Amino acid sequence: KNQVEQSPQSLIILEGKNCTLQCNYTVSPFSNLRWYKQDTGRGPVSLTIMTFSENTKSNGRYTATLDADTKQSSLHITASQLSDSASYICVVSVGGVSQGNLIFGKGTKLSVKP
Amino acid sequence: DSGVTQTPKHLITATGQRVTLRCSPRSGDLSVYWYQQSLDQGLQFLIQYYNGEERAKGNILERFSAQQFPDLHSELNLSSLELGDSALYFCASSVALGPLEAFFGQGTRLTVV
Repeated sequence: KNQVEQSPQSLIILEGKNCTLQCNYTVSPFSNLRWYKQDTGRGPVSLTIMTFSENTKSNGRYTATLDADTKQSSLHITASQLSDSASYICVVSVGGVSQGNLIFGKGTKLSVKP
Repeated sequence: DSGVTQTPKHLITATGQRVTLRCSPRSGDLSVYWYQQSLDQGLQFLIQYYNGEERAKGNILERFSAQQFPDLHSELNLSSLELGDSALYFCASSVALGPLEAFFGQGTRLTVV
């Protein structure tokens, strides 16, 4: 069964600190992996998209890594800001061209405190 | 602003009723996707349309239906509503058939009482 699991479920950090969110997946065949940021009550916004051959991708203070062998990904946030408080969703695309083949994790809820 | 517009933002209705959610994709995007996000759950894919035609179906209930019109806007119809249908409903759009990049709307929060 295609699944995406994220940890931790929630995380509280102080402003300025770094943090790392984890994503493990059992999806086959694998096409790509994305990280989305979702503010409460709003639509998800794409942070990074990585294909099988990419193992690191950065977007400002966000750096995603992918280990296709162990089927693990992480999202590292550097020098956190209050505006980073949101849910971070790991999404894996099953091989194929339809959006219906996206498997969503339940997200990690990050709270950044002053 | 993603460029994807969903209306209404909030909807409260009674069990057994029928509602219609509307989505206007980004200019130039041909694909529209609908997702349901229940409390503390991940997004669940419902259905995809591309240029007016249904392309993929996910876990969409028979009580739910959707369509995409010639101007590319889409509507999601939910009927015989149950309490468990309360959720955030998101629409996303992309320019192509594939999922290379999709932009999400702000969602419609449906509350069934």
